[in-house]
Amino acid sequence: DGGITQSPKYLFRKEGQNVTLSCEQNLNHDAMYWYRQDPGQGLRLIYYSQIVNDFQKGDIAEGYSVSREKKESFPLTVTSAQKNPTAFYLCASKKRETSGYEQYFGPGTRLTVT
Amino acid sequence: SQKIEQNSEALNIQEGKTATLTCNYTNYSPAYLQWYRQDPGRGPVFLLLIRENEKEKRKERLKVTFDTTLKQSLFHITASQPADSATYLCALGEGGSYIPTFGRGTSLIVHP
Repeated sequence: DGGITQSPKYLFRKEGQNVTLSCEQNLNHDAMYWYRQDPGQGLRLIYYSQIVNDFQKGDIAEGYSVSREKKESFPLTVTSAQKNPTAFYLCASKKRETSGYEQYFGPGTRLTVT
Repeated sequence: SQKIEQNSEALNIQEGKTATLTCNYTNYSPAYLQWYRQDPGRGPVFLLLIRENEKEKRKERLKVTFDTTLKQSLFHITASQPADSATYLCALGEGGSYIPTFGRGTSLIVHP
């Protein structure tokens, strides 16, 4: 069964703690992405990676960090520097970084920081 | 400034009717436009892609039009069913930038 998995589905953290969200894909896709979705808002791009060991900041990268050590994995760390971390986080992948290919999304992780 | 506008108000229609959702954009020169479906608490699912040189695309009960003069895309679902109830997102991709920008989505509610 090919797809993207994100874990956990729900995550609760105390303010001031870093937290890492997992994203794994077995689609053999080159490109991977992290988005954040807030109620009534569109998806906002946090980070993306076109190839292993390379990644670029998106529109709202401040307070987040990523790594891409393996093709199938693209974990996102939400640091204590992120001012409003409570949100729905979506990971996506694409066959390659070329226009016209659709993105495949994972089921999302809902992070709540109190 | 660049804007992608989708109706923030939910669209309520009766089962069997055609649902039409709108995506308007400002200050973009999109090379392609995509439509996704998102169910509550889940990730979006790709439905259709239409390129700038295409006027219309169809897939089963779905039809997308793309008018670069009006700067608008219309998404139609014919013979709508309650199972079509979801939020529908449009996403624009400009030439040279392969990462699309997403609109906020429009909620569709199909009543039996």
